[in-house]
Amino acid sequence: DQQVKQNSPSLSVQEGRISILNCDYTNSMFDYFLWYKKYPAEGPTFLISISSIKDKNEDGRFTVFLNKSAKHLSLHIVPSQPGDSAVYFCAASENTGGFKTIFGAGTRLFVKA
Amino acid sequence: DARVTQTPRHKVTEMGQEVTMRCQPILGHNTVFWYRQTMMQGLELLAYFRNRAPLDDSGMPKDRFSAEMPDATLATLKIQPSEPRDSAVYFCASGGLRSGNTIYFGEGSWLTVV
Repeated sequence: DQQVKQNSPSLSVQEGRISILNCDYTNSMFDYFLWYKKYPAEGPTFLISISSIKDKNEDGRFTVFLNKSAKHLSLHIVPSQPGDSAVYFCAASENTGGFKTIFGAGTRLFVKA
Repeated sequence: DARVTQTPRHKVTEMGQEVTMRCQPILGHNTVFWYRQTMMQGLELLAYFRNRAPLDDSGMPKDRFSAEMPDATLATLKIQPSEPRDSAVYFCASGGLRSGNTIYFGEGSWLTVV
């Protein structure tokens, strides 16, 4: 039973446009959410995070939105660049003595020049 | 430059052989995770430790997988005996008080069981 779901295996976007990656979760105990970016043959790298007490966090071209009532979060990349082409993983954790972090299946983003 | 170090980077082994993967977490991090990347499941949590104590290993096949932290600078994941279905990339990640709830990954160990 997947607690973190990324229902779009892939997404293709034109350079300069907005990329929107979506993520849903089922566990209401999750209180911290993260996005990671992964290039082939490398480990995932941390991109941006958001606490459950917020509904938006922005870092440069990357913004994460959290909708707790819908158990949904999204990552917006504006403007998208070819170097953003990678697999993006959504993750969620609950602080229950150890921040057990659960990941989704990932969404492969293609940014076309 | 603090980072998680994993060895070996690549391993090809025959079915039935024992495989041991090692991880050195970032200095000062007290929580260590083992994940396996598969096409269908994405990053699947196998086990994690806090202050060297196992907190959850429910994601591991118990009959053949084992995970330990002999000391604060070393985590190991062992598969015995290995099977072709174990072929995957295994990632170690670590986190700690200074990193909040953010965890940082190593480069992964690519395992092929033939």
